Amino acid sequence: AQSVAQPEDQVNVAEGNPLTVKCTYSVSGNPYLFWYVQYPNRGLQFLLKYITGDNLVKGSYGFEAEFNKSQTSFHLKKPSALVSDSALYFCAVRAQTGGFKTIFGAGTRLFVKA
Amino acid sequence: ETGVTQTPRHLVMGMTNKKSLKCEQHLGHNAMYWYKQSAKKPLELMFVYNFKEQTENNSVPSRFSPECPNSSHLFLHLHTLQPEDSALYLCASSRDRDTDTQYFGPGTRLTVL
Repeated sequence: AQSVAQPEDQVNVAEGNPLTVKCTYSVSGNPYLFWYVQYPNRGLQFLLKYITGDNLVKGSYGFEAEFNKSQTSFHLKKPSALVSDSALYFCAVRAQTGGFKTIFGAGTRLFVKA
Repeated sequence: ETGVTQTPRHLVMGMTNKKSLKCEQHLGHNAMYWYKQSAKKPLELMFVYNFKEQTENNSVPSRFSPECPNSSHLFLHLHTLQPEDSALYLCASSRDRDTDTQYFGPGTRLTVL
């Protein structure tokens, strides 16, 4: 069975500081991993994904995520947060073989204070 | 904009009404999805269509009825809904089901009275 956990409902960070939004997963075999962002009154927007290769994935708006197989984690990071980064962030996972269902986490709300 | 549009953006309906949600994608994608987003809950996948064929139905109650007349359009027909069905309904598409980078529409905010 596949699952994804975002252990923090909310993350608060000051503008200019680094941010981390955590995600851990469980999947049989190798995973596809995704991060999406949702701004108010909008649908989800794709940020980045890990398929294979380099464990550090760079995405849109200066975000990056590191795939850690031993810890089954895929934390989202940004070196310097902006107020405009405030949004709801979703981690998602799908097994590379077998079923094709993408499972989303419950989301983490990021607040960046000026 | 993501290339996926949804109408209406807001819908209020009574439990005895029949209404439909519409989704259209202008990306040339072959797979389309309906999700339900409720507050503080994971995104719930409802239906998946691939090349107009339904490939997944996640035990969704029959009061929700999807329709995919072609690869660009997806409908969700609603009838005799319950108040707990109030949520944001999101449509998404992807180039194919396997590639799975999904592009989402803005959603329809549904309120069932």
